[in-house]
Amino acid sequence: AQTVTQSQPEMSVQEAETVTLSCTYDTSESDYYLFWYKQPPSRQMILVIRQEAYKQQNATENRFSVNFQKAAKSFSLKISDSQLGDAAMYFCACSITQGGSEKLVFGKGTKLTVNP
Amino acid sequence: DTGVSQDPRHKITKRGQNVTFRCDPISEHNRLYWYRQTLGQGPEFLTYFQNEAQLEKSRLLSDRFSAERPKGSFSTLEIQRTEQGDSAMYLCASSLVRSPLHFGNGTRLTVT
Repeated sequence: AQTVTQSQPEMSVQEAETVTLSCTYDTSESDYYLFWYKQPPSRQMILVIRQEAYKQQNATENRFSVNFQKAAKSFSLKISDSQLGDAAMYFCACSITQGGSEKLVFGKGTKLTVNP
Repeated sequence: DTGVSQDPRHKITKRGQNVTFRCDPISEHNRLYWYRQTLGQGPEFLTYFQNEAQLEKSRLLSDRFSAERPKGSFSTLEIQRTEQGDSAMYLCASSLVRSPLHFGNGTRLTVT
């Protein structure tokens, strides 16, 4: 079974500093996607960044970047120049495609606190 | 793009009652998902539709749960004879093929 593990239940960072959130996953598929989603207290899940497994280049979206290590099945999220608005739960997710059905499997999340 | 809409946002019900939630996906999205999220956990997959066809159901979805997506547009999730263990956030998401999921705000169910 595919699993996603986030080993850091909570992290904190000073405003304007950089923080890295860890994620490891286990899948037997060769073609998959990895995602980081953000869930602020308002609770809507928002896509932060997406990585296609067949692409070696790490995805980047403004202050957010990933370190994708396919062999190690590791997919960490780096947030640069942290802002107060980055405070939220962050979920790592891996896509699974089975018999034409595609779904996401999520980790348990990391709660990020940004200190002013 | 008006986003994924879920109704109601909160539902409090007594154990044994039936409840129904509604999800309106982004109009051009043919895929629709239901997830359940309990406190301190990530979302867990419940079921998935492609157009009007329900293609997959999780083992988490007991016989008391049923989901429909008539005409491939909005979807409903019904829970019959609710139990306290059903208390959770129920999230709906929609997407195009091989595209990221767009989530709604969720429906928080409390069973007393």
